[in-house]
Amino acid sequence: EPEVTQTPSHQVTQMGQEVILRCVPISNHLYFYWYRQILGQKVEFLVSFYNNEISEKSEIFDDQFSVERPDGSNFTLKIRSTKLEDSAMYFCASRGDGDSNQPQHFGDGTRLSIL
Amino acid sequence: AQSVTQPDIHITVSEGASLELRCNYSYGATPYLFWYVQSPGQGLQLLLKYFSGDTLVQGIKGFEAEFKRSQSSFNLRKPSVHWSDAAEYFCAVGARQSNYQLIWGAGTKLIIKP
Repeated sequence: EPEVTQTPSHQVTQMGQEVILRCVPISNHLYFYWYRQILGQKVEFLVSFYNNEISEKSEIFDDQFSVERPDGSNFTLKIRSTKLEDSAMYFCASRGDGDSNQPQHFGDGTRLSIL
Repeated sequence: AQSVTQPDIHITVSEGASLELRCNYSYGATPYLFWYVQSPGQGLQLLLKYFSGDTLVQGIKGFEAEFKRSQSSFNLRKPSVHWSDAAEYFCAVGARQSNYQLIWGAGTKLIIKP
C-alpha cells in the first residue's frame, strides 16, 4: 500500500537555526498537510496546500513557517529561526483528489528537538 | 467554536474484554469523522472514517464506530480487545468547507491488562 514518507525521523537543531522537514506524499495525491504534536498535547493543524499554494493555515503558522513543493514529489516544511517551543512531532499528510471523500494518510512523523 | 472532546485520558481494559472510547464534537458544518491510532513512536494510522450514509462504520483491526448526530458523538468500539491494541486513539473531525483540515481530540491511551 502506498505510504507517506517523512525524513528525517528525528532532527536535533540549535535554537535560532533553520530547519527543513521533508515529506514525500502518496504519488497521485493532490492535497497536502502539516500537523504538529507537542509532547503530551493534541495534534494541531498547521497548513494545507493544494495546486501549489497554501489553502488554509492556522494561527500557529506564522511568518517563521513556510511550505514548498519544490518538485513533483517532495513537500517541505521550513522553520526559519527555530524556538524552543517548536520542539514537537511534525506529521505530514496527503489526501486524494477533487471532492471525493478520502481521508488523509499520515507519515510516521519527524521528531524535532530544539536545544 | 469547533472542538473535539475525548473525555477519557486513559482507559484500562482486560484482554478479551469489550471496549468503547468516547468522542464528542462541536462543529458548525456537516462533519466528517475519523478515528486514528498511534502506537508509541509511530505515526497516525487511520482506523475508520465516516463521511455519509450508514451511521455504523466498520474499520480495520475489528473496530467499529457509530455516528450519532443527536448526541454529536462518534464512539469507537471493539467487542474483544487484544494486547496489540494498546496504543493511543485519536478522534478527529474535518469538513469539505475547510479543505478537510482536521481538528483533533486530546487522545485516549488504551492500556490492556493481561
